[in-house]
Amino acid sequence: AQSVAQPEDQVNVAEGNPLTVKCTYSVSGNPYLFWYVQYPNRGLQFLLKYITGDNLVKGSYGFEAEFNKSQTSFHLKKPSALVSDSALYFCAVRDNFNKFYFGSGTKLNVKP
Amino acid sequence: DVKVTQSSRYLVKRTGEKVFLECVQDMDHENMFWYRQDPGLGLRLIYFSYDVKMKEKGDIPEGYSVSREKKERFSLILESASTNQTSMYLCASSFRAGRSYEQYFGPGTRLTVT
Repeated sequence: AQSVAQPEDQVNVAEGNPLTVKCTYSVSGNPYLFWYVQYPNRGLQFLLKYITGDNLVKGSYGFEAEFNKSQTSFHLKKPSALVSDSALYFCAVRDNFNKFYFGSGTKLNVKP
Repeated sequence: DVKVTQSSRYLVKRTGEKVFLECVQDMDHENMFWYRQDPGLGLRLIYFSYDVKMKEKGDIPEGYSVSREKKERFSLILESASTNQTSMYLCASSFRAGRSYEQYFGPGTRLTVT
């Protein structure tokens, strides 16, 4: 069965420091992996995706993610966090039947 | 720009009422989805539609039904609202794989059942 795990409910980081939000997945076949961000009382907003090719993918707002097949991970990263990055982040995987599976979400707090 | 709209941002209904939540997308997406989002539980799939008049149950379909009469519109129906259906409801759409892979989400409807 497909599944996504985000082991941290919350990540705290100081502004200007690098940030990492962790995600591991379990999927049969080739993984299609995604990160989304959600601001309060809003829908989810697409950040980036891995479909195939280079393991390091770049997305919106300076975020990037690294696909690691051997560790079945797809961690979200940013070299220098901003206070405005504070939000809820979701990792997701898409299966071969067009269904998506989401992690439980990680709340990112960036402190000034 | 892809646009997914939902009929209401906030809705308050009474127990036992029939509730309709509507979602419209303007990108000619084949797939449409309804999720509910609750704190600590992430997004849970209620129903999924991959074509007009086609639907599949998700993880938590009990107490809900859906309708897709037109490609751009996907409705979620609460047959008899209950307090445990108080939640944030999110609609999403996507192409079938091979064109574009990501989902696009509407702004959400926060439903309160009293």
